[in-house]
Amino acid sequence: DQQVKQNSPSLSVQEGRISILNCDYTNSMFDYFLWYKKYPAEGPTFLISISSIKDKNEDGRFTVFLNKSAKHLSLHIVPSQPGDSAVYFCAARVDYGGSQGNLIFGKGTKLSVKP
Amino acid sequence: DTEVTQTPKHLVMGMTNKKSLKCEQHMGHRAMYWYKQKAKKPPELMFVYSYEKLSINESVPSRFSPECPNSSLLNLHLHALQPEDSALYLCASSPGLLRYEQYFGPGTRLTVT
Repeated sequence: DQQVKQNSPSLSVQEGRISILNCDYTNSMFDYFLWYKKYPAEGPTFLISISSIKDKNEDGRFTVFLNKSAKHLSLHIVPSQPGDSAVYFCAARVDYGGSQGNLIFGKGTKLSVKP
Repeated sequence: DTEVTQTPKHLVMGMTNKKSLKCEQHMGHRAMYWYKQKAKKPPELMFVYSYEKLSINESVPSRFSPECPNSSLLNLHLHALQPEDSALYLCASSPGLLRYEQYFGPGTRLTVT
């Protein structure tokens, strides 16, 4: 059973507009959420994170919103640039107790930003 | 510096070979991870080392054997692999101390023939 779901496999956006990537989760024990960006043949690159006690975190063009009651988070990229074209993974941390825990990844959304 | 390095970049091995994948980070991170990623799938956790001790083994077959010689190095020893083990193997590290973001290396593309 998928605990972290990214229901849109792909998203196409015009350069300069907003990209909104969505993620839903089922496990209420998740306490930390992260977004990663991945280019082909490279490892994922950490973008931004949010603790479950917050509802928004912003870093430059990237903003993550968390709605705990809906078990939903989203990543907003404004303005979108062609270099943002990549696969975006949502991940959630589950605490194993006293350790770093484990990240559960969604299946990813491929973002294409057209010039 | 947020760099995690992995060697080799590509590896082709036969089912009877023994090989090792290496991972290194010099960020002072206290946790290190091995993931396996198949095409068009998310990374799947294999092992977690926390303070150089194996803390999580996600039911990985014994033909994969992790080793953490020190806080900066992580190895994955491979023996008698199967063709279905062909994948991108990713190493990651995280700072610890209530910071959970993981920094990934570029991966080793493994092909088992």
